Amino acid sequence: AQSVTQPDARVTVSEGASLQLRCKYSYFGTPYLFWYVQYPRQGLQLLLKYYPGDPVVQGVNGFEAEFSKSNSSFHLRKASVHWSDWAVYFCAGSVWTGFASALTFGSGTKVIPCLP
Amino acid sequence: GPKVLQIPSHQIIDMGQMVTLNCDPVSNHLYFYWYKQILGQQMEFLVNFYNGKVMEKSKLFKDQFSVERPDGSYFTLKIQPTALEDSAVYFCASSWTGGGQDTQYFGPGTRLLVL
Repeated sequence: AQSVTQPDARVTVSEGASLQLRCKYSYFGTPYLFWYVQYPRQGLQLLLKYYPGDPVVQGVNGFEAEFSKSNSSFHLRKASVHWSDWAVYFCAGSVWTGFASALTFGSGTKVIPCLP
Repeated sequence: GPKVLQIPSHQIIDMGQMVTLNCDPVSNHLYFYWYKQILGQQMEFLVNFYNGKVMEKSKLFKDQFSVERPDGSYFTLKIQPTALEDSAVYFCASSWTGGGQDTQYFGPGTRLLVL
């Protein structure tokens, strides 16, 4: 069955530090992959999405993700975290079924500040 | 960016009663979706809808659930009767096409508590 896994429920990071959020997928074939961010009491907002092609995808606000077929991964990265990045991040995948597409979500990773 | 609105933001209801969750999708979108997220668990697909019809539904979309979008107004999810296990946050989404690569735009969710 198709699935998306985010192994880290929480990631602690200092402002200005780099960030990597992990995502693994399991699909027959190559899915379309997405990263969304959710702020409290708001809907999910798209950061970036992957089409088959260039494995590195640039998104909004300095985020990028890299697709790896060999590792079945789609990890999200940011070089320097800003305080506005404290949020919950969801990785999701979909395939075209011939009708309409349903997203399969990971369980989310909460990014929280590392306080001195 | 495009906004999806959901009304109400919170709903508390007694078990066995009917509830209707409302979604105001992005104005020119044609495909509509409901997802369910139980507290502490991942978001799961319930149903998608196009041209007045359910296209696909998951095993979570029980017989007590129904969706409609009468006359291009709100896209609604109705649960009748409600059960305790229906307590969750329900997210509506919409997209222009139904293709796998198309972006789905999400609302902020309706928090449903069934007592």
